[in-house]
This record gives sequence, structure tokens and C-alpha cells, in this order.
Amino acid sequence: ELKVEQNPLFLSMQEGKNYTIYCNYSTTSDRLYWYRQDPGKSLESLFVLLSNGAVKQEGRLMASLDTKARLSTLHITAAVHDLSATYFCAVLDNNDMRFGAGTRLTVKP
Amino acid sequence: NAGVMQNPRHLVRRRGQEARLRCSPMKGHSHVYWYRQLPEEGLKFMVYLQKENIIDESGMPKERFSAEFPKEGPSILRIQQVVRGDSAAYFCASSPILYEQYFGPGTRLTVT
Repeated sequence: ELKVEQNPLFLSMQEGKNYTIYCNYSTTSDRLYWYRQDPGKSLESLFVLLSNGAVKQEGRLMASLDTKARLSTLHITAAVHDLSATYFCAVLDNNDMRFGAGTRLTVKP
Repeated sequence: NAGVMQNPRHLVRRRGQEARLRCSPMKGHSHVYWYRQLPEEGLKFMVYLQKENIIDESGMPKERFSAEFPKEGPSILRIQQVVRGDSAAYFCASSPILYEQYFGPGTRLTVT
């Protein structure tokens, strides 16, 4: 069975610091997604990574994919309070999207 | 282009009642997915449908749960004889192809 594991599950950061969230998965899928979810809200698509070595950046967030290692990272640069949310990675496995448990990020002033 | 729409946004049911959750995909999208999210957890895949067909229901509980996506109208997730454990947020997503999914705002079901 496909497993998608994120770590850390909880992350508290100071504003201005950098950190990386890791997503490991157990299938050979080469389609990986990152989503953001604010409390009580739906999921907002951040990145779609479709091939080995793919790197995408949007603002202070950068995502990468290593399909050989079955690992994706979401790097946060110079965190700001507005980035506080829960971040999910997900892997497309045949017909369904399998989600990690999420990383709850809190950015403190 | 309106996004994925779900209604109701909040639904309260007593144990034993039926819950019907509706999802209207984005215009032009023929693939619909349903997910369940328990508090403090990630999303769990339930079912994948195309118009008039269930493609993959491997994540659906075997009893009390059913889903449909008729030729006309929204997709419906139906939960019969709800129990407290059914309380969760149910998200629908749609896609034009098997590529990227766009999520609706969710229906928060509370069973009392």
C-alpha cells in the first residue's frame, strides 16, 4: 500500500528563519503535489511536480522532487507570519491522490 | 469560471439520519473525487467518478456510503444512517484530466 510520510508534523519557526519540510513516499509515482490549508478552509494548490529533478518556486516557498529517492521537499525561506498554515504533500497513485498527514507550521514574530 | 462548489457547507444530522453532500465540478471538468478529512488529519481518498461511472471506490466504506455522478447535475455523496464517527469535513475535487485536482470548500458534517 502506498505510504506518504511527512515530517515534521509540527513546526514552530521564528520569522526570518529558513526550514525544510520533507515528504517521503513509497510508490514509483512521478507526480507530487503540495497544498496549503488554513484552519477551517479548503486546500489551495501550491506546486505540481511532474518529473525527477523538478524545482518550482513561488515567493518564499520552493519545492523539489527526487523520484529516485522518492522524496520531495518544501523549503521555506525567511518565514513570515502569513505562511502559518498546514502544508500537505500528496502523491498521485493510479486514480487517487494519497495525502501525507500534514505539517502544521506556526511562524512566530 | 466558478470554482468547485459544494453544498451545504455545514450539515448537522442526528444519528441514524441520512446525509447528502453535493459537489458541482468546475466547468469542463469530467472527473470528480471525494475525500474525507478527520480533525487534525490529512485527506483520505474515498471515491473517483466520471460522468455516470464509478471508476475507483477503493476508499469508500463498504456499508452506508454511496456516490454518484449523474449525466446531469452535481455529484452526490450519500451517507445513510450516520454515526458519530462520520463527523468530518468532506471535500470534493474535480479535474479536466487525470492531472491536477481543484478542491471545493468542503462540507463539514456534524453528527449529534
